[in-house]
Amino acid sequence: SQQGEEDPQALSIQEGENATMNCSYKTSINNLQWYRQNSGRGLVHLILIRSNEREKHSGRLRVTLDTSKKSSSLLITASRAADTASYFCATDRSEQAGTALIFGKGTTLSVSS
Amino acid sequence: DSGVTQTPKHLITATGQRVTLRCSPRSGDLSVYWYQQSLDQGLQFLIQYYNGEERAKGNILERFSAQQFPDLHSELNLSSLELGDSALYFCASDRGTNEETQYFGPGTRLLVL
Repeated sequence: SQQGEEDPQALSIQEGENATMNCSYKTSINNLQWYRQNSGRGLVHLILIRSNEREKHSGRLRVTLDTSKKSSSLLITASRAADTASYFCATDRSEQAGTALIFGKGTTLSVSS
Repeated sequence: DSGVTQTPKHLITATGQRVTLRCSPRSGDLSVYWYQQSLDQGLQFLIQYYNGEERAKGNILERFSAQQFPDLHSELNLSSLELGDSALYFCASDRGTNEETQYFGPGTRLLVL
């Protein structure tokens, strides 16, 4: 079953623009992670935000987390063509043993030059 | 490079056959996770091992099994393969505590003909 749901499913922007992706989830979490996947390749970890954090930055990435709304957003500033990829949010389940991640369906970002 | 290795990269086999996928976690990581990524199901958690013991189970079919060895590498065994088992299989690892980043391997692409 899907825990996180990303929105939009697809996003097309020009280089230099900002890209914002949203993620909603259903159950209590310990943390939320964002991953990037280039076409058919492995997942690259971007950023982890803990449930007691509201905002986190890493380079051109900004992640927010609103646990009351069970939602998160990923902002990529000044997009580059190399940012073209699929982006997934992933959550754990704080009430369950183990720390397996539950992934959303992802947002496909296309950045054109 | 995440430090997680998976072999083989690609695997082509026929229906009814059995295959074994191998994963070596990052140095120091005790926990190994297996995920399946297919077009229709997205990224699905299959199973988690921690220090040799099964810790959590997800949507893993009875035809699939896994184990983690004393040196912490893990193998995922897929038997009686069906066309629908064609997918990308990822292994991930972390230290096994909550609030940890999971690092993914490059995946094994399985094609069942």
